[in-house]
Amino acid sequence: GAVVSQHPSWVICKSGTSVKIECRSLDFQATTMFWYRQFPKQSLMLMATSNEGSKATYEQGVEKDKFLINHASLTLSTLTVTSAHPEDSSFYICSARENQGNYGYTFGSGTRLTVV
Amino acid sequence: AQKVTQAQTEISVVEKEDVTLDCVYETRDTTYYLFWYKQPPSGELVFLIRRNSFDEQNEISGRYSWNFQKSTSSFNFTITASQVVDSAVYFCALSEAQAGTALIFGKGTTLSVSS
Repeated sequence: GAVVSQHPSWVICKSGTSVKIECRSLDFQATTMFWYRQFPKQSLMLMATSNEGSKATYEQGVEKDKFLINHASLTLSTLTVTSAHPEDSSFYICSARENQGNYGYTFGSGTRLTVV
Repeated sequence: AQKVTQAQTEISVVEKEDVTLDCVYETRDTTYYLFWYKQPPSGELVFLIRRNSFDEQNEISGRYSWNFQKSTSSFNFTITASQVVDSAVYFCALSEAQAGTALIFGKGTTLSVSS
């Protein structure tokens, strides 16, 4: 079945530094990928929709300059948290939707970011 | 606008009890998909089921069953003879049929099964 690989699984960084999270579709092409953020005991909130070869579409309230998304190929999307602050500490999870077949959604295993 | 409501925030049961997790959705689309996911403490989302809006047949998979009723915009999930391993957060989600649209999640229901 479809597999999405997300790295790293967890990362600890200092305030003010940047962190890059990668999301790769391993056995299918994903024109569109999605990035979610999940705070403890809360639901998954859509941050942005990443489209291959074009600019990402951000949800209301998500700072595009802080959360940089790049979708340079049909199998790779990256999320960079710039100038991270402790309030950015969260669980980030990506998802890719297949372009054909049953159009199912496949999720990465998530990245737990802790900013200290 | 699309919306998914899971009114039950937390449910606690004892092993072997049956438990139903409620999900009510809102959408203006005539074609859409409904999903259930399980999220254990590890955080990884485990896909359980996908249902399209034209298929109202109830489905059973082992101890799991789903009841889809368009008339009440509900897609409820029942676990029969619950087990401790069923303890997790369960999310109901909705998407449009159109390619490129994201899943919208409900707030989730935390199920705790004690022995």
